[in-house]
Amino acid sequence: LAKTTQPISMDSYEGQEVNITCSHNNIATNDYITWYQQFPSQGPRFIIQGYKTKVTNEVASLFIPADRKSSTLSLPRVSLSDTAVYYCLVGAGGGADGLTFGKGTHLIIQP
Amino acid sequence: GAVVSQHPSRVICKSGTSVKIECRSLDFQATTMFWYRQFPKQSLMLMATSNEGSKATYEQGVEKDKFLINHASLTLSTLTVTSAHPEDSSFYICSALTGDRGRKDEKLFFGSGTQLSVL
Repeated sequence: LAKTTQPISMDSYEGQEVNITCSHNNIATNDYITWYQQFPSQGPRFIIQGYKTKVTNEVASLFIPADRKSSTLSLPRVSLSDTAVYYCLVGAGGGADGLTFGKGTHLIIQP
Repeated sequence: GAVVSQHPSRVICKSGTSVKIECRSLDFQATTMFWYRQFPKQSLMLMATSNEGSKATYEQGVEKDKFLINHASLTLSTLTVTSAHPEDSSFYICSALTGDRGRKDEKLFFGSGTQLSVL
């Protein structure tokens, strides 16, 4: 299983773009990269998933360099409600194999 | 996205009693579901993988006789904490896999969690 490393915490302000990077040096060929968001006392929520290059949806973008040893979740124009813990998971077939959660990144958005 | 319903959201029980937590995939069939526990300010820890129609696979250190998992249908998995003790108090979360495991289109969706407090 590819181990992931993320910053423990990050701070930003409303309206800013936030980029959270995840390192996964041992990612395997079949592994996908998936990001989840978790609020206190709730289950994680799927944000975005990708395999290579760039993926964009209505809430975020995911940038994956050619070597796939890292990935960056980009949240445009954050608001206070984006304060949460963000987890990056790496695994085969959509990131579900093994499902080892790292410590995640606690993102705090200030007014 | 797909919806996973987890019930109850909160349960308080006396030491020695058993508690059952249900996890349902509402709009899709899930051959594979997962159970986690999470302590305050910590990450999720995978407890077991639940496969429809077969025995669950438990992670190292998780007592299978303590945490009984049943995945009797493609939309329902249950976790029963038997003879619960205060140290079992935790936040339990289930998740279900859409699509076929190993396919690139599979995704994981989570229930809302169950806060178990054992007195």
